[in-house]
Amino acid sequence: AQRVTQPEKLLSVFKGAPVELKCNYSYSGSPELFWYVQYSRQRLQLLLRHISRESIKGFTADLNKGETSFHLKKPFAQEEDSAMYYCALRPTDSWGKLQFGAGTQVVVTP
Amino acid sequence: NAGVMQNPRHLVRRRGQEARLRCSPMKGHSHVYWYRQLPEEGLKFMVYLQKENIIDESGMPKERFSAEFPKEGPSILRIQQVVRGDSAAYFCASSPPGGGRTEAFFGQGTRLTVV
Repeated sequence: AQRVTQPEKLLSVFKGAPVELKCNYSYSGSPELFWYVQYSRQRLQLLLRHISRESIKGFTADLNKGETSFHLKKPFAQEEDSAMYYCALRPTDSWGKLQFGAGTQVVVTP
Repeated sequence: NAGVMQNPRHLVRRRGQEARLRCSPMKGHSHVYWYRQLPEEGLKFMVYLQKENIIDESGMPKERFSAEFPKEGPSILRIQQVVRGDSAAYFCASSPPGGGRTEAFFGQGTRLTVV
């Protein structure tokens, strides 16, 4: 069965400090992995997808198939990064379905 | 393009009543997805619909829940005889032709409270 695990419910960091949000997954095939972000009172929006290998708002995420991880990183956190972050997996045999982790609340303090 | 619109934003129902949640996809989008988020949990997939068709309903509870996406009008998620455990945030997403392989855009959700 596929599963997405985000072990940290809350991550509190100081502005300018590095931040890393952990995401581990279990899936027998080669899934697509995503990070979604939800800022306060806004809708869920796509931040990153592993196939595009982009850096968005300073965030990067590398898919490590050996460790089945897709951790999200940013070297210098900003106050506007405070939000809820969700890691999600899309199985290749079920394109319409996203499997979400429970989410990590990030709080960046000045 | 106003984005995916869900209404109502908040819905309160007494146990045993029916709840109807509406989702208007983005213009040009023909695929709709419904997710449910229980407190302290991530979003859980419920159903994937195309116009007039249910593509994948593997996440839908077997009883009391149904969804439709008619040729005209919004997608509707219907919950009959609601119980306290149905209290949750329900999110809708839509994507353009290409369906699940393309990016899905989310609405702001409907928060259902059963009293």
